[in-house]
Amino acid sequence: EDQVTQSPEALRLQEGESSSLNCSYTVSGLRGLFWYRQDPGKGPEFLFTLYSAGEEKEKERLKATLTKKESFLHITAPKPEDSATYLCAVMGGAQKLVFGQGTRLTINP
Amino acid sequence: DAGVIQSPRHEVTEMGQEVTLRCKPISGHNSLFWYRQTMMRGLELLIYFNNNVPIDDSGMPEDRFSAKMPNASFSTLKIQPSEPRDSAVYFCASSDRGPRDTQYFGPGTRLTVL
Repeated sequence: EDQVTQSPEALRLQEGESSSLNCSYTVSGLRGLFWYRQDPGKGPEFLFTLYSAGEEKEKERLKATLTKKESFLHITAPKPEDSATYLCAVMGGAQKLVFGQGTRLTINP
Repeated sequence: DAGVIQSPRHEVTEMGQEVTLRCKPISGHNSLFWYRQTMMRGLELLIYFNNNVPIDDSGMPEDRFSAKMPNASFSTLKIQPSEPRDSAVYFCASSDRGPRDTQYFGPGTRLTVL
């Protein structure tokens, strides 16, 4: 059974303080690892898809990386508007997205 | 593009009543997904359609839940009869080229069953 574990559950940072969120996964035949951002009261918003170990993608202050067992979402010099819940999901051979519980990120000004 | 559209945004009903949630996918997308999000279980796939045909409904919790997609631009998720444990946020998502492609989510319907 495909599984995703995200850590930490919650993270509070000061504006400008860089950090990383972790997504550990077990999957039968990885077809893709997805990162989404979710703001309160809204649907998940797509950020990145990674397909193979060693792949990296960047968007503004965010960079996602992938190994055979985990993915990291690096946040560089975050701003208060980066506050949100970040969700990681994997797609394996069953062709279903399996989501982690998310990391709730708060950036204090 | 208008994105995925869901209605209603909020629904409050009493136990035993029928509830119907509606979704309009992004125009041109051929796959549609229904998810449920709760604090305890997170975001879970209920069912997905490809070209209006249900492909995998293994996530549907029980026979009280049913979903239809009569055409490429409309889908419904029905709960009959509803129970308090069905209270959750229900999301619809769509993708362009099947489940392996990026899924774009709607704003969700917050369902409260009293």
